[in-house]
Amino acid sequence: SYELTQAPSVSVSPGQTARITCSGNMLSKKYAYWYQQKPGQAPVLVIFEDTKRPSGIPERFSASSSGTMATLTISEAQLEDEGDYHCYSTDSSGNQRVFGGGTKLTVL
Amino acid sequence: EVQLVESGGGLVKPGETLRLSCAASGFLFSSYTMSWVRQAPGKGLEWISSISTSSNYIFYADSVKGRFTISRDNAKNSLFLQMDSLTVEDTAVYYCAREQVRGLRYFDYWGQGILATVSS
Repeated sequence: SYELTQAPSVSVSPGQTARITCSGNMLSKKYAYWYQQKPGQAPVLVIFEDTKRPSGIPERFSASSSGTMATLTISEAQLEDEGDYHCYSTDSSGNQRVFGGGTKLTVL
Repeated sequence: EVQLVESGGGLVKPGETLRLSCAASGFLFSSYTMSWVRQAPGKGLEWISSISTSSNYIFYADSVKGRFTISRDNAKNSLFLQMDSLTVEDTAVYYCAREQVRGLRYFDYWGQGILATVSS
């Protein structure tokens, strides 16, 4: 079955840039999406179609995708950006929805 | 306002059954594919099942295929997940999610989740 791979954790100081990566061999053909999840809350979409930001998501959230890797970038990270970030995509058929294992972002 | 409210969780023993429900409001439920996504304690998100608008297309993750059954009642704006032969590995928060199709299918609205605990 298809898998997306993320590093378990990333840590940055406030004001620094955080980069969270997601690798999967179908990402060169399928879009990546990114969800932010804070403790005890449901996930929230922060990036769709590799690079697009939904309305209401701060401009410091951006993303890119190249080859088999997608990257979420949080510029000038703030304490409120702490949480888990999950990448998402599908397999080649589009029928199997797949999440990465999630990356815990710590801002301290 | 889109709202998804899960119910039916609780504590059961291994081998037992649970039936989760999701009440939808604030959108035309019959026009959207709906899904269940779960999250085991301290773990990542795991998609487990999706059902198309008219229930014609149903997909399951390998981890639940043959044990879980997804269904919907468009007249009642409700989504269901019948979970049979539960194991301790099924312990998780279960989220109901609406699917949007833009680029790929993805989840644009989520419920707050309901905890299902399987323990002897």
